[in-house]
Amino acid sequence: GAVVSQHPSRVICKSGTSVKIECRSLDFQATTMFWYRQFPKKSLMLMATSNEGSKATYEQGVEKDKFLINHASLTLSTLTVTSAHPEDSSFYICSGQLAGEAEYFGPGTRLLVL
Amino acid sequence: AQTVTQSQPEMSVQEAETVTLSCTYDTSESDYYLFWYKQPPSRQMILVIRQEAYKQQNATENRFSVNFQKAAKSFSLKISDSQLGDAAMYFCAYRRGNKLVFGAGTILRVKS
Repeated sequence: GAVVSQHPSRVICKSGTSVKIECRSLDFQATTMFWYRQFPKKSLMLMATSNEGSKATYEQGVEKDKFLINHASLTLSTLTVTSAHPEDSSFYICSGQLAGEAEYFGPGTRLLVL
Repeated sequence: AQTVTQSQPEMSVQEAETVTLSCTYDTSESDYYLFWYKQPPSRQMILVIRQEAYKQQNATENRFSVNFQKAAKSFSLKISDSQLGDAAMYFCAYRRGNKLVFGAGTILRVKS
């Protein structure tokens, strides 16, 4: 299957700082990438859809100024959590989609905001 | 709106036995995709199996197979010869267009 990487795998930051998470499709070009948030033992919640070279589309209730998404190339999308607060602590997962096929997920990033 | 329902929060199976995880979905569309994903303790989401709605034949991947009932909007996953490594959270997902809609998940425990 297709491989997606995420970096970092875990990050701890102070409240008020910004954190950037990278998502890369390693062996395929993903015209569309997705960002999810997952709470413990819960399902994945879609935050935004990211298309290469265009603005991300955010789901209802997701603050676009807080969760900045950039999809600069067909293999890289980044999520920046700006002015992070403890309630932003969560597990963030990205995925890349092969046209007409399934989504392939990164290993996730655990964010802890102190 | 499309919704996906997994009615079993937790299931247990004895090693080497067979278990079936249920999933129903709601849609008015006729062309869509269905998936089962596995999330082990590492939290890496792994694609288990996929089904195109226009295909009547049930998808099979080694020990994993589905029972796709389009009219009933049902998409269950059967795991045969269960192994300890099958223990995980399983998510059923529906896709039309480019978005996935996930069910709440079923925790599968495998007893040795």
